[in-house]
Amino acid sequence: NAGVTQTPKFQVLKTGQSMTLQCAQDMNHEYMSWYRQDPGMGLRLIHYSVGAGITDQGEVPNGYNVSRSTTEDFPLRLLSAAPSQTSVYFCASSYNPDRPLYEQYFGPGTRLTVT
Amino acid sequence: AQSVAQPEDQVNVAEGNPLTVKCTYSVSGNPYLFWYVQYPNRGLQFLLKYITGDNLVKGSYGFEAEFNKSQTSFHLKKPSALVSDSALYFCAVSATDKLIFGTGTRLQVFP
Repeated sequence: NAGVTQTPKFQVLKTGQSMTLQCAQDMNHEYMSWYRQDPGMGLRLIHYSVGAGITDQGEVPNGYNVSRSTTEDFPLRLLSAAPSQTSVYFCASSYNPDRPLYEQYFGPGTRLTVT
Repeated sequence: AQSVAQPEDQVNVAEGNPLTVKCTYSVSGNPYLFWYVQYPNRGLQFLLKYITGDNLVKGSYGFEAEFNKSQTSFHLKKPSALVSDSALYFCAVSATDKLIFGTGTRLQVFP
């Protein structure tokens, strides 16, 4: 198993540009999520999905869109990049969508810089 | 609302000494509790979890954590630290369909 994969590893955008961060998992996990990591703030949840066709907002959803058309893929779209979105983005998945949530498995991250 | 606090930004310990990284939480209901480790330029790796049962949980790389319900704490411990344990450690709690992370504690183990 490749686990959770993310592309690209690094990206530089200009303010106002849009892009999609890709995330895929091959573990047949129902639950997938996106986090951003900023110094001194830990990981903050952007969006999450409890299964194909179902998405919901996390703690910091503004400026980001997601969709979940398949179990394997969960892309994150930046609609109009802003310098405040400079961060490291992590995708994660979990095998249960229940409450409480079990441990998540993380991808290697995408380092995004917006100038 | 659920929340996690890691009161120490950094913990310094000499190699061979015991280490403790602190975590306290606030949730309604019975929580699931987790520790993750992050090495430089890497994603988070799962270390251990508490769901139910024995309050002392053993995990990867010789780490263990003690769940204390009355103090709402879940401190990470290791009897003898290694230089290779130097990394960023995150505590997390789940009581709903979300995993909430603390701000992280940087562990520095000196030779």
